[in-house]
Amino acid sequence: KAGVTQTPRYLIKTRGQQVTLSCSPISGHRSVSWYQQTPGQGLQFLFEYFSETQRNKGNFPGRFSGRQFSNSRSEMNVSTLELGDSALYLCASKAAPGFDEQFFGPGTRLTVL
Amino acid sequence: SQQGEEDPQALSIQEGENATMNCSYKTSINNLQWYRQNSGRGLVHLILIRSNEREKHSGRLRVTLDTSKKSSSLLITASRAADTASYFCATVYQAGTALIFGKGTTLSVSS
Repeated sequence: KAGVTQTPRYLIKTRGQQVTLSCSPISGHRSVSWYQQTPGQGLQFLFEYFSETQRNKGNFPGRFSGRQFSNSRSEMNVSTLELGDSALYLCASKAAPGFDEQFFGPGTRLTVL
Repeated sequence: SQQGEEDPQALSIQEGENATMNCSYKTSINNLQWYRQNSGRGLVHLILIRSNEREKHSGRLRVTLDTSKKSSSLLITASRAADTASYFCATVYQAGTALIFGKGTTLSVSS
């Protein structure tokens, strides 16, 4: 079974631009969560999607948004990029919200210049 | 904000030695999980312990949970160079589903 895939793996943007990151969960998994990892703040929860609906959201500004498609693939979007948005963005999938173990993808490394 | 705090922040040992890292958290949890991360890559799930469990084993890993002290420990026995990585504890609130991570312990195992 293929693992969680994230594209692109690396991305360089400039301040003010917007970016879209993609995540394909493990086949059969319907719950997708996103996390941001920075040296200063560590790993922080962004949001969780299940059946195309956002179930939970972390404490991030409205510039961070996401969505999930009917095939469970998910995208997250960051608008008006700031230098502080430079981070490793990790996607995790699990079978359904009631399941505990999450499987993480390799992440997308975003650098904002 | 972080729910868990790992201790120590960094740990250097020789191959064959045991490594112990600790995690403390703040509120009541549903379960506590440990993850490993190699060089800024994705996280690998190691082990999960539920709030009604006190100890769990998986291969060379032993996890304990003390809910009265709101703490957990991860023991890696007979460490190998391949165990070099960052280790994170993550908790799930009783009311939530999101993983709340600590800042991690960086383990370095030298041969």
